[in-house]
Amino acid sequence: NAGVMQNPRHLVRRRGQEARLRCSPMKGHSHVYWYRQLPEEGLKFMVYLQKENIIDESGMPKERFSAEFPKEGPSILRIQQVVRGDSAAYFCASSPRTGDTYEQYFGPGTRLTVT
Amino acid sequence: DQQVKQNSPSLSVQEGRISILNCDYTNSMFDYFLWYKKYPAEGPTFLISISSIKDKNEDGRFTVFLNKSAKHLSLHIVPSQPGDSAVYFCAARPNNNNDMRFGAGTRLTVKP
Repeated sequence: NAGVMQNPRHLVRRRGQEARLRCSPMKGHSHVYWYRQLPEEGLKFMVYLQKENIIDESGMPKERFSAEFPKEGPSILRIQQVVRGDSAAYFCASSPRTGDTYEQYFGPGTRLTVT
Repeated sequence: DQQVKQNSPSLSVQEGRISILNCDYTNSMFDYFLWYKKYPAEGPTFLISISSIKDKNEDGRFTVFLNKSAKHLSLHIVPSQPGDSAVYFCAARPNNNNDMRFGAGTRLTVKP
């Protein structure tokens, strides 16, 4: 976990509001991944980004969810018009590269609660 | 679609004994497998991995075994320690793809 920062750690939103989750990868890492963990379930891949590019968003819901990883600053996962079903833990991970073998290093997660 | 399955949601073992956590997968395109450990309120921590060209990888008390024909892998922890108590996730990655799939996790409890 060391080095991957996520904030806020806890976020409460009312239905219909927007949620913005931030992730700063480990120093030297240019690959960022977002996962969602619903209660009693495993981690579900959402999106993979490199600086200024979305590489794979096959796990992202088609509506209301978006992600970016700008040239400067953290990666942002944005959820518009949140619904109760969006309540989950959202984890960000980073890796230094892609290739044959690699590990992803995870942040502590942001727990989103939609009331 | 559950391509990586951990069929045991929980496992309890005595300190000093062996813990064996199991994982099955369905996608024959997976070529790299990882185990992560997760404590409450923390993100998963990488533990050990294995490439599909190997059938065993060992790191201290942790050994991962891969049986490609059975599409099965397992994590052995010996001897188990109370600090090993956590949720263990199995993960797999298809070749040429960054979409890593996780199992639902197994909660290991090591009793002193």
